[in-house]
Amino acid sequence: DIQMTQSPSSLSASVGDRVTITCRASQSITIYLNWYQQKLGKAPKLLIYAASSLQSGVPSRFSGSGFGTDFSLTISSLQPEDFATYYCQQSYSTPLTFGGGTKVEIK
Amino acid sequence: EVQLVESGGGLVQPGGSLRLSCAASGFTFSSYDMNWVRQAPGKGLEWVSYIDTSGSTIYYADSVKGRFTISRDNAKNSLYLQMNSLRSEDTAVYYCARDRASSGWLNWGQGTLVTVSS
Repeated sequence: DIQMTQSPSSLSASVGDRVTITCRASQSITIYLNWYQQKLGKAPKLLIYAASSLQSGVPSRFSGSGFGTDFSLTISSLQPEDFATYYCQQSYSTPLTFGGGTKVEIK
Repeated sequence: EVQLVESGGGLVQPGGSLRLSCAASGFTFSSYDMNWVRQAPGKGLEWVSYIDTSGSTIYYADSVKGRFTISRDNAKNSLYLQMNSLRSEDTAVYYCARDRASSGWLNWGQGTLVTVSS
């Protein structure tokens, strides 16, 4: 099974900050990496697919990068509505696996 | 508008059974693979099961293999998850999600809560 390790597990940041979340796969998944945002009590929302493709309708302050085993999600200027939990997910092979999540909180 | 609506959750005793449904609308259901994902209270996301468009290819997480059965009825635009021999660790919100292969899971249902407790 491919293990997905996200870091940090939580972070505190201020509005306007640049935030980067990393995700490491236990083996190469090429670009089969997606990022989701989840707010309390809501279903996950797709932000980035195929490592770096921005889902239509998602603000351009979100970006993704990486290939192989190391990936990152960057929010260039954190907005109040971005405080949420973020998950990476590999879709390279079953069992499909998620990272443990990164909770972004207000400083 | 794409909609996925789960139903069938509730309180069940350990060892019991439950059948979840996911009603799809706003897209050609028969053209998309589908998944079930769950989230235990206060925990992260866990993939549960996958089914392809025809129902001929199915995968399960090890944690539910042999106890859960995924199925679909393309004529009814519906996805199902039959859950047997339920355990306390199966307590979670269960989501259905539309699979777009390498393009991620854009559409999710609102989730249905399954509570396994005596």
